[in-house]
Amino acid sequence: KAGVTQTPRYLIKTRGQQVTLSCSPISGHRSVSWYQQTPGQGLQFLFEYFSETQRNKGNFPGRFSGRQFSNSRSEMNVSTLELGDSALYLCASRYEDSNYGYTFGSGTRLTVV
Amino acid sequence: AQSVTQLGSHVSVSEGALVLLRCNYSSSVPPYLFWYVQYPNQGLQLLLKYTSAATLVKGINGFEAEFKKSETSFHLTKPSAHMSDAAEYFCAVSHSGNTGKLIFGQGTTLQVKP
Repeated sequence: KAGVTQTPRYLIKTRGQQVTLSCSPISGHRSVSWYQQTPGQGLQFLFEYFSETQRNKGNFPGRFSGRQFSNSRSEMNVSTLELGDSALYLCASRYEDSNYGYTFGSGTRLTVV
Repeated sequence: AQSVTQLGSHVSVSEGALVLLRCNYSSSVPPYLFWYVQYPNQGLQLLLKYTSAATLVKGINGFEAEFKKSETSFHLTKPSAHMSDAAEYFCAVSHSGNTGKLIFGQGTTLQVKP
């Protein structure tokens, strides 16, 4: 079956712009989480959505937002981009079951110039 | 608060040698523990997970990990390293199966020498 699909794979944006990243979870997975990965800070949790509701949020400014649609696909948006937002953004999905691990997508590499 | 510490940001082994990647966690409640591997320019792949069943967990590609509550450790091992094992490895913890929040360690880069 298809894995977690993230689009686009690579993105270059200018400071001050906004960006929207997309994540399509594995079919049947209703929980979608987002992570930011940078060399300095490592992997940091952004937020989690389940059944179109944000269930958990990390310590990121309000410029970072997300949403989930009825088909479980999720988007995250970053407004007023800063150079420090350059990172690999990873999406993960899973069944709503504690015995299942999280399946990650290949990520979107965002470069802010 | 939960946290994960991976001892050693870089580990180098010879091909065929034992791989040992160390992970210690801090959690006030019974944890769920995971090991992930990341190859260059790729996402994270789940190697194995501990969810309070057997303390010795076997994963993919010959890896296994043992949960030791008394030592708050979840070290990853593999008896014989292959060149293809060279990658970055992440230990992660969550405190409940009903949250999508994983707390990751800083990662350990495994180098395998021929």
